[in-house]
Amino acid sequence: EDQVTQSPEALRLQEGESSSLNCSYTVSGLRGLFWYRQDPGKGPEFLFTLYSAGEEKEKERLKATLTKKESFLHITAPKPEDSATYLCAVQTDYKLSFGAGTTVTVRA
Amino acid sequence: DTGVSQDPRHKITKRGQNVTFRCDPISEHNRLYWYRQTLGQGPEFLTYFQNEAQLEKSRLLSDRFSAERPKGSFSTLEIQRTEQGDSAMYLCASSSGATNEKLFFGSGTQLSVL
Repeated sequence: EDQVTQSPEALRLQEGESSSLNCSYTVSGLRGLFWYRQDPGKGPEFLFTLYSAGEEKEKERLKATLTKKESFLHITAPKPEDSATYLCAVQTDYKLSFGAGTTVTVRA
Repeated sequence: DTGVSQDPRHKITKRGQNVTFRCDPISEHNRLYWYRQTLGQGPEFLTYFQNEAQLEKSRLLSDRFSAERPKGSFSTLEIQRTEQGDSAMYLCASSSGATNEKLFFGSGTQLSVL
């Protein structure tokens, strides 16, 4: 069975304080690793897809990387508007299996 | 592209009542998914449609749950004889069906069973 574990569960940052979120996974036949952002009371919003070890993708202050066993989401110089829950998911066939998420709070 | 729409946004019901949720996917998306999310957890897969065919149902989906997607367009998720444990956010997502295609999620229906 696919397993996705995210750490830490919660992260409190000062504005401008860079940090990283971890997503470790155990799957057979990874087709893609997805990062989503979720704001309270809303559905997940797509951020990145990574397909193979060594791949990196960036969007504004976010950068996602992938190894054979884990993925990292780096937040550089975060702003309060980056506060959200970040979800990692793996795709092995047609559906996504999600981790529990990391809730990031950025204080001004 | 108007996004995935879900209705209602919130539903409060009493234990034992039946409830039905609707999802309108992005037009021309042939794959439609239902997920359930409880507080502090990630979304859990419930069921999946390719056009009008329901191709997989999770073990999480008890006999009280039924989903339909007539004509391969909108979908409904019905829960019969609701229980307090059914309280959750029910999320719908759609995709075009291409390999590795990302899922687009709606804002969800928050169900509270009293």
